Amino acid sequence: SQQGEEDPQALSIQEGENATMNCSYKTSINNLQWYRQNSGRGLVHLILIRSNEREKHSGRLRVTLDTSKKSSSLLITASRAADTASYFCATDADNQGGKLIFGQGTELSVKP
Amino acid sequence: DGGITQSPKYLFRKEGQNVTLSCEQNLNHDAMYWYRQDPGQGLRLIYYSQIVNDFQKGDIAEGYSVSREKKESFPLTVTSAQKNPTAFYLCASSIWVNTEAFFGQGTRLTVV
Repeated sequence: SQQGEEDPQALSIQEGENATMNCSYKTSINNLQWYRQNSGRGLVHLILIRSNEREKHSGRLRVTLDTSKKSSSLLITASRAADTASYFCATDADNQGGKLIFGQGTELSVKP
Repeated sequence: DGGITQSPKYLFRKEGQNVTLSCEQNLNHDAMYWYRQDPGQGLRLIYYSQIVNDFQKGDIAEGYSVSREKKESFPLTVTSAQKNPTAFYLCASSIWVNTEAFFGQGTRLTVV
């Protein structure tokens, strides 16, 4: 079962624009994480936001979490061609005994 | 330097054969995970282990087996019972559950 669902499935923007990806989940969580995957490679951790946090920043990344709506968003500001990748949210539901469950991902394409 | 290593990078298997994918980490992490990724899809959890000599089934454990005899190692065996094993397999580890996961570079398994 997929805990997280990303939206949109694919996003194409121009360099310099902002990119926003959304993630919805089904059950209460301990934290929510965002990862990036370049084609054919492993995933790289971007940011972790705990269930008692509402917003977190890391460089050009801004993550928000709304536990009442069971949703999170990842904003990449001033995007670059090198940001082209797939982005996944992952959750560890507090009744799942340590499982880390990923969504389907958003494929981001940033055109120079 | 520290990290998580998967081998081999590419693996070909004949139908009816068992194959074992290696995953080793020197990060002193307690938790380890195996995921399967199909083209254009998210990650699905096969098995995970929170501590040595203990592991739990994920969402798609049928046709797979694992062992966790050492903290550093979490090999995955794809058995002949797995009807559609061609996929990209990713191993990850984290200090403990609910924390940032580090991924290997993946093993691409093809059944020929």
